[in-house]
Amino acid sequence: GEDVEQSLFLSVREGDSSVINCTYTDSSSTYLYWYKQEPGAGLQLLTYIFSNMDMKQDQRLTVLLNKKDKHLSLRIADTQTGDSAIYFCAEKEDTGRRALTFGSGTRLQVQP
Amino acid sequence: GAVVSQHPSWVICKSGTSVKIECRSLDFQATTMFWYRQFPKQSLMLMATSNEGSKATYEQGVEKDKFLINHASLTLSTLTVTSAHPEDSSFYICSAGDTSYEQYFGPGTRLTVT
Repeated sequence: GEDVEQSLFLSVREGDSSVINCTYTDSSSTYLYWYKQEPGAGLQLLTYIFSNMDMKQDQRLTVLLNKKDKHLSLRIADTQTGDSAIYFCAEKEDTGRRALTFGSGTRLQVQP
Repeated sequence: GAVVSQHPSWVICKSGTSVKIECRSLDFQATTMFWYRQFPKQSLMLMATSNEGSKATYEQGVEKDKFLINHASLTLSTLTVTSAHPEDSSFYICSAGDTSYEQYFGPGTRLTVT
């Protein structure tokens, strides 16, 4: 079955760049996502990338996809304290309307 | 992006009672909605896929008689936790999308069973 893995914790200083990594096993994954979850809240869709893309940039966020290695990363430039949250990567196959498979989440702590 | 709402945002109930949670797509129609469960400091686990006008599809290990799902319209799915017990205490989150690849999540419902 599908498996998505992330490191559990990342700590950075305010102003630095953060890189959150994710690996997945399903070679048929077509869509890959990054969600942000703040304490006690739902999930906020940050960005997504199609498997035929290598990179996607949206303001401070840069997503890199290495399909050969099944590796996805999210880079947050100029990290702010408000970026402190849990970040989930998720994947989905292009087989109709299916649910997402989530990683375990990476807790990002931004120190002032 | 599209907006998904949930109601209530939190609920406390006594053991043995039933609780209904609503999930609405506010500005789009969703033939399919998904219900997830999240325990503290853990990831989201899919419970079931809610299909408008037909029966829900449950994941392995999820009791369909305990977690009743009704997708009565293109904008509303409900999850009823029947005869709730303390071990059902969790954060329940629904999601829906207006395309095959976009998934938007509700704000979640925190259920505490005493």
